[in-house]
Amino acid sequence: QKEVEQNSGPLSVPEGAIASLNCTYSDRGSQSFFWYRQYSGKSPELIMFIYSNGDKEDGRFTAQLNKASQYVSLLIRDSQPSDSATYLCAVKVNYQLIWGAGTKLIIKP
Amino acid sequence: DGGITQSPKYLFRKEGQNVTLSCEQNLNHDAMYWYRQDPGQGLRLIYYSQIVNDFQKGDIAEGYSVSREKKESFPLTVTSAQKNPTAFYLCASSMGGAGGAGELFFGEGSRLTVL
Repeated sequence: QKEVEQNSGPLSVPEGAIASLNCTYSDRGSQSFFWYRQYSGKSPELIMFIYSNGDKEDGRFTAQLNKASQYVSLLIRDSQPSDSATYLCAVKVNYQLIWGAGTKLIIKP
Repeated sequence: DGGITQSPKYLFRKEGQNVTLSCEQNLNHDAMYWYRQDPGQGLRLIYYSQIVNDFQKGDIAEGYSVSREKKESFPLTVTSAQKNPTAFYLCASSMGGAGGAGELFFGEGSRLTVL
């Protein structure tokens, strides 16, 4: 069974620090990897996606992919209170998106 | 503005009733999806459609039904056969079929509560 695992948290990070969110997946055939942000009571929105091993940076966000170890991570630099949300990892396998349960991130002012 | 509109935002249902959740998009996307989200769980796919007049079951289709008569519309009916329907329902669309590149655009969600 294809699985995507995330620590549910909450992960508490001081404002201005780096928040590090991790996701592991079970299917080695996974092709692409996505991070969505979901504010409480709202719908998810795409933050970043990554296809290749290594790092991908977009503003304060960096996605890191290690296919050999089957994990993908999201780093948020200079964390802001507005970054407080649940972060969902999604992995595309063939034509399906498999979702993790999400990590709740709390940025403390 | 382009987007996805779900209605109603909140819905209460008595046991034994069917309810229909509306989902309309004006993004000209081919593919549309219905997900269910329960506390502490990832999104679970109920149904998806890649083209008008065609749809496929997802992982948890039992107790649900859909139609895709127009490209813009993908309503979900929660039937009385769904034994535990209280959840947050999310409609999404993507440019390509089968999740496209993985970039899904979501509606605001419909929260269904069974009384």
